[in-house]
Amino acid sequence: GAVVSQHPSRVICKSGTSVKIECRSLDFQATTMFWYRQFPKKSLMLMATSNEGSKATYEQGVEKDKFLINHASLTLSTLTVTSAHPEDSSFYICSAPGLAAEQFFGPGTRLTVL
Amino acid sequence: AQSVTQPDIHITVSEGASLELRCNYSYGATPYLFWYVQSPGQGLQLLLKYFSGDTLVQGIKGFEAEFKRSQSSFNLRKPSVHWSDAAEYFCAVGDVMDSNYQLIWGAGTKLIIKP
Repeated sequence: GAVVSQHPSRVICKSGTSVKIECRSLDFQATTMFWYRQFPKKSLMLMATSNEGSKATYEQGVEKDKFLINHASLTLSTLTVTSAHPEDSSFYICSAPGLAAEQFFGPGTRLTVL
Repeated sequence: AQSVTQPDIHITVSEGASLELRCNYSYGATPYLFWYVQSPGQGLQLLLKYFSGDTLVQGIKGFEAEFKRSQSSFNLRKPSVHWSDAAEYFCAVGDVMDSNYQLIWGAGTKLIIKP
């Protein structure tokens, strides 16, 4: 099946710094990728849809200037959490769609902001 | 509005016992239906999916699910659980008309296995 990787798997940063998370489709091209946030013991919350060559589409309530998304190529999308604060600590997961709404998920990135 | 309901927040089952996790959806037509599993601190793995055809679908790790249109349900079953099945299980619905392929997620059911 299709493989999606994420890097880093775990990151700890100081409050006020920025953190970049990469999402790569390893064996297929993805013109669209999704970024999710998952709070402890909660379901996935779709943050934004990343579109190759164009601006990302953000879900209501998600700050565009705080969560910068860049989909620079058909295999790479990045999420940058700018000026991170402790409340941004979470598990971030990306996915890329396959056929008929099936999505392939990355392993996730655990962000801890001190 | 489209929605997915997993009525059980957590379920405890003895190892070797059978399992059924419930999923109900609200959707205007036949959606694409998925079950994903998430082990602690991990990403999501697809267990099985239903697009069309046979309403009983087989997945990985011995799981199966049955699509019942009349009940708007897609319950996940396994005849005999193993301790390694302890995880969070998510039901999701895909919109056949959505070219962006977004999924609507249930809240998840945590499966606890008793020795």
